[in-house]
Formats: sequence, structure tokens, C-alpha cells
Amino acid sequence: QKEVEQDPGPLSVPEGAIVSLNCTYSNSAFQYFMWYRQYSRKGPELLMYTYSSGNKEDGRFTAQVDKSSKYISLFIRDSQPSDSATYLCAMSVNQAGTALIFGKGTTLSVSS
Amino acid sequence: GAVVSQHPSRVICKSGTSVKIECRSLDFQATTMFWYRQFPKQSLMLMATSNEGSKATYEQGVEKDKFLINHASLTLSTLTVTSAHPEDSSFYICSANHGQYGYTFGSGTRLTVV
Repeated sequence: QKEVEQDPGPLSVPEGAIVSLNCTYSNSAFQYFMWYRQYSRKGPELLMYTYSSGNKEDGRFTAQVDKSSKYISLFIRDSQPSDSATYLCAMSVNQAGTALIFGKGTTLSVSS
Repeated sequence: GAVVSQHPSRVICKSGTSVKIECRSLDFQATTMFWYRQFPKQSLMLMATSNEGSKATYEQGVEKDKFLINHASLTLSTLTVTSAHPEDSSFYICSANHGQYGYTFGSGTRLTVV
């Protein structure tokens, strides 16, 4: 079993749809959870950063962490064609000094 | 704040030659930087952790003599792919941790070995 599991998709939705992206993990020591967006042949761009369990909202994006279930989610409301990218979940045990462990990434396509 | 600059963005080299990739933290000091490798439609796989002033820590299966990492200052880490072969062709990405902004990534380097 990999440390972080993420369905690679692809996921295709119409403009305006609500998108749900998910990851599961096996290491209960993870405390910091992140979602990155990556456009083709570019470095990942941080979208959301969450510590421990709970919800965090930023504009059209909402991140949820359920440590009891080892499950994290990213919701995108009112999706736009510009949201078309690969979304990677990532997590770490410590805030600094240790590397992030990534999921495989989910490719999202939003059609107009 | 927390910008990481990575160069070159793209490089093509002949088999058997060496290639150096630079990763710079522009507006903060990074005692630790990370090097990842990404194959098409695959996730980022950690290659090594680079610590300023000390030897890098390599992940299992990564040849330290082939992927030389130097972190000589608090703002610069380099990855040198030595005696490159076509199977080394990949997307290499560096990352640095900034306490306030979390982990910031460079824009990546597309290496093609012909």
C-alpha cells in the first residue's frame, strides 16, 4: 500500500460544476496537508495548506481533513476552464525539515 | 514572498555528458531543499534532501554518485546529473521550505538526454 493514494482521473466537468478531489493516506503521523495545482510542465503551485483535522476555505476552494479516516478532500466551487490542471495532494509529518509525500495527482478538465 | 527560482527550465544534452540544475531561494534562506523527479502522468518522487553545509540524504534507489547535490549556501542548491543517459530524461523539481509559506517549488527543469 502506498503512503498516499489519489485517483489519477481524468476528471471532466462542465463549467460551473462543483469538483471534489480526494486522497487517502496510511501514515497516521501526517499532520500537515496541502493541495497543489500543477499546469503542464510547470512546478506545483500551493492552493491550500491545512494543519490537522478540520476545514479551510479560500475563495472557491475548500479543503477538508479527516484524520480519523485518513482522508482529505479539496472542493472547487463554480469551476472554471482555467481550473483545468493536475491537482496533487501532499502531506508531511513536520512543518519544516521533512519532505512532502505526494499523491499521484488528479487531472481535471473543465469545459466551457 | 517565498520564491524559488530554478534554472534551466529546459535542457537537452548528449548521452554521457553532465548537466547541472540550480535552485535558488530568492527572498528567504533555506537550510533544507528537496529534489523531486516526475515522469509523465506520475507523481513527484522525492530523490534527496539537501542540507546546507552537509551531505545530502538520498532516498532508497537513488544513486548518489549519479545525482550529485551541493547545497553550499543558504540560498542555493544544485543537482548535477552525471553521465546522463536517456532513461534520466525527466522533469526535475526543487522545493524549499519557508516557515510562513510552507513548501515552495521551483518551476522545474525538463531534461532530455539524446
